[in-house]
Amino acid sequence: GENVEQHPSTLSVQEGDSAVIKCTYSDSASNYFPWYKQELGKRPQLIIDIRSNVGEKKDQRIAVTLNKTAKHFSLHITETQPEDSAVYFCAATPEKGGGFKTIFGAGTRLFVKA
Amino acid sequence: GAGVSQSPSNKVTEKGKDVELRCDPISGHTALYWYRQSLGQGLEFLIYFQGNSAPDKSGLPSDRFSAERTGGSVSTLTIQRTQQEDSAVYLCASSSRGGEYEQYFGPGTRLTVT
Repeated sequence: GENVEQHPSTLSVQEGDSAVIKCTYSDSASNYFPWYKQELGKRPQLIIDIRSNVGEKKDQRIAVTLNKTAKHFSLHITETQPEDSAVYFCAATPEKGGGFKTIFGAGTRLFVKA
Repeated sequence: GAGVSQSPSNKVTEKGKDVELRCDPISGHTALYWYRQSLGQGLEFLIYFQGNSAPDKSGLPSDRFSAERTGGSVSTLTIQRTQQEDSAVYLCASSSRGGEYEQYFGPGTRLTVT
């Protein structure tokens, strides 16, 4: 079935350093790849997304890259700040029966040390 | 405007009892999702409604779980004969058009089965 693998499960960086989270997906029909951030005790919120017709997208300190051939996509956070500390989820949207459900990765807990 | 709301926010029930969880999506959103998040874990897909199409129930873990969406708006997730392993936060999300667009999450219902 559809699967999204996410690595690492935990990531600790020093404030100002970069953080990279990687995901792979199994269903080659997936064409939308969002990233959600979930702060402790709060609901997940979209931070950036990318569609299959684009290889890279950037929004201030956050960027996402996509390699459809390898079925691999990554989140890059530069100049990390303590408020970036949260759990980050990648996701892919395989098409099934005309609809697009969303399969999430297991999450990466990011700690940014001041 | 109002976001996604869920009720109750917390539910404690005895093993074997049935529970109903409610989700009110953002007005006009045609897609609605249910996810389960166990403590410190990822987002497990349960079910997906898109407009008037048949729902994608492929994530429901057993026949004790069911969901309906009345009038294309409010949704109810029902768990029959609850078990302790059903204890988790149940998150609902809605999207304007489907899996290829941003999902807006509700605050969740924390279910505890004693």
